[in-house]
Amino acid sequence: DGGITQSPKYLFRKEGQNVTLSCEQNLNHDAMYWYRQDPGQGLRLIYYSQIVNDFQKGDIAEGYSVSREKKESFPLTVTSAQKNPTAFYLCASSADRGHSNQPQHFGDGTRLSIL
Amino acid sequence: GEDVEQSLFLSVREGDSSVINCTYTDSSSTYLYWYKQEPGAGLQLLTYIFSNMDMKQDQRLTVLLNKKDKHLSLRIADTQTGDSAIYFCAETAKLQFGAGTQVVVTP
Repeated sequence: DGGITQSPKYLFRKEGQNVTLSCEQNLNHDAMYWYRQDPGQGLRLIYYSQIVNDFQKGDIAEGYSVSREKKESFPLTVTSAQKNPTAFYLCASSADRGHSNQPQHFGDGTRLSIL
Repeated sequence: GEDVEQSLFLSVREGDSSVINCTYTDSSSTYLYWYKQEPGAGLQLLTYIFSNMDMKQDQRLTVLLNKKDKHLSLRIADTQTGDSAIYFCAETAKLQFGAGTQVVVTP
């Protein structure tokens, strides 16, 4: 079955440590996205990529980095510069590059906590 | 203000209809979407409406779009306990999501 796989489901970070969240899709989608979800708030866009080897900052990119070396994969690194990383992170993908015509499909999320 | 706004909570009795409301500011979106999120899970696409439509019905779900007022609503007929979840509306122009409406269905 096609879909989006996020791993791990739970992740713990120590102070000063970088951690990387994995997102893989086998839907052959061009565009991929990372969102952060905090309690009582909507999803906030961190980064998105419309094509391999290209990505753009979203609304809250500071303290995060991404790469898009393969169409199927869009890993997110939460760096030590992100002072409040505790949140639920959601990865999504959509079929078209313009993201305005196709719905996004979401993974099951990674919950990141600070030790 | 927020680009997409929703009320935060809705309580409904099993068997009744639920209506979740959403307002948005950017009128350039091609589509407007409704997603459902169950605890600890990702978002599941429920339905969507093309921006030049007024209404779309899909089984128990009815989406109404008032472009003049930039108002979107989702009606769930015969609400069941399995409909308890957080519902998000989203627009595509700026990839903005509302804060989500927590729907609680009581027996």
